[in-house]
Amino acid sequence: ELKVEQNPLFLSMQEGKNYTIYCNYSTTSDRLYWYRQDPGKSLESLFVLLSNGAVKQEGRLMASLDTKARLSTLHITAAVHDLSATYFCAVCNSGGSNYKLTFGKGTLLTVNP
Amino acid sequence: KAGVTQTPRYLIKTRGQQVTLSCSPISGHRSVSWYQQTPGQGLQFLFEYFSETQRNKGNFPGRFSGRQFSNSRSEMNVSTLELGDSALYLCASSSLSGGSTDTQYFGPGTRLTVL
Repeated sequence: ELKVEQNPLFLSMQEGKNYTIYCNYSTTSDRLYWYRQDPGKSLESLFVLLSNGAVKQEGRLMASLDTKARLSTLHITAAVHDLSATYFCAVCNSGGSNYKLTFGKGTLLTVNP
Repeated sequence: KAGVTQTPRYLIKTRGQQVTLSCSPISGHRSVSWYQQTPGQGLQFLFEYFSETQRNKGNFPGRFSGRQFSNSRSEMNVSTLELGDSALYLCASSSLSGGSTDTQYFGPGTRLTVL
């Protein structure tokens, strides 16, 4: 059974600081996703990582994937208050042609002024 | 392009009743998945449909069922509701293009409360 572990589960940061969220998964997968969820809202897709060594960046967020270590990271650079949200990683474990995502428990990020 | 839509947005039911939730995917998307989100269990996969066929099913009892229509719209049904079924039910669609940006796009969800 595929397991996805995120850490930390709670992260309180000061504006301007850098930090990394980690996502470990237990079995081989061909793609990994990062989503953002604001309170009371749905999930917003941030990144899709398909191959070993993949790195994607959008604004102050950068995601990377190491399939050999079964590890993905979401790095936050110079955090701002608007980044406060819950971040989920999810791993697809049904092959490339269909979807069955297993999610981590999420990281609640709070950026303080 | 319109996003994934779900109806109703909020629903209050009592134990023992049944409920049907509806999802309209993004135009052109043929894969529709359903997820349950609760504070205790997090996000859990319910099932995935493609071209009216259920291809994947999560670890949920048979009270949870779904279907997909020829226009890709999907419904999920929960019978004999239990208090523990109170959750946010999220629908997601995908084009399954296989490209580097292929992802699941989530709808706003249906908040189900079982009393």
